[in-house]
Amino acid sequence: AQSVTQLDSHVSVSEGTPVLLRCNYSSSYSPSLFWYVQHPNKGLQLLLKYTSAATLVKGINGFEAEFKKSETSFHLTKPSAHMSDAAEYFCVVSSTGNQFYFGTGTSLTVIP
Amino acid sequence: NAGVTQTPKFQVLKTGQSMTLQCAQDMNHEYMSWYRQDPGMGLRLIHYSVGAGITDQGEVPNGYNVSRSTTEDFPLRLLSAAPSQTSVYFCASTPSRGWYNSPLHFGNGTRLTVT
Repeated sequence: AQSVTQLDSHVSVSEGTPVLLRCNYSSSYSPSLFWYVQHPNKGLQLLLKYTSAATLVKGINGFEAEFKKSETSFHLTKPSAHMSDAAEYFCVVSSTGNQFYFGTGTSLTVIP
Repeated sequence: NAGVTQTPKFQVLKTGQSMTLQCAQDMNHEYMSWYRQDPGMGLRLIHYSVGAGITDQGEVPNGYNVSRSTTEDFPLRLLSAAPSQTSVYFCASTPSRGWYNSPLHFGNGTRLTVT
């Protein structure tokens, strides 16, 4: 069975400081992992994906994530937060079975 | 390139009414799906389809019907609306071949309120 746990429902950072959004997953098979961002009243936009190639994945807007199989984690990071990063972030896992499994989301607040 | 198009953007229904949420994609994706988004619960899968003529239930299918007569369209029907169906609904698609490696492409959502 597949599942995703986003360890923080809310994260607040100051502008210019690093961002860390944590995601742990459970999967019976080699998973594909994704991070999506949702700005207020908008749809979901893909930030980055891991599909069994390089374990360090770079995405859009300076975000990156590292796949750690031993820790079953796929944490999202950014070196320096910008005001425009304030949004809801979702970690997603898929493997077999025609379904994608979403975490419950992490709301990121950026303090000026 | 329109991607995934959902209509309407907003809808208010009275309890017991029925309606259809429309979803169309122009990317020739075989896999299409419907999610509902509720605060603190992430996105939950309602129904999905891996191709024309094939549909299956997701995590929360009760009260919803789907059909897939063409590759492009995947409408979601609410049979008898209930206040518990107040939510934001997203349609998403992805290529079927190697689908689990391909990310979902989302529509902009339909905000439904049932009074």
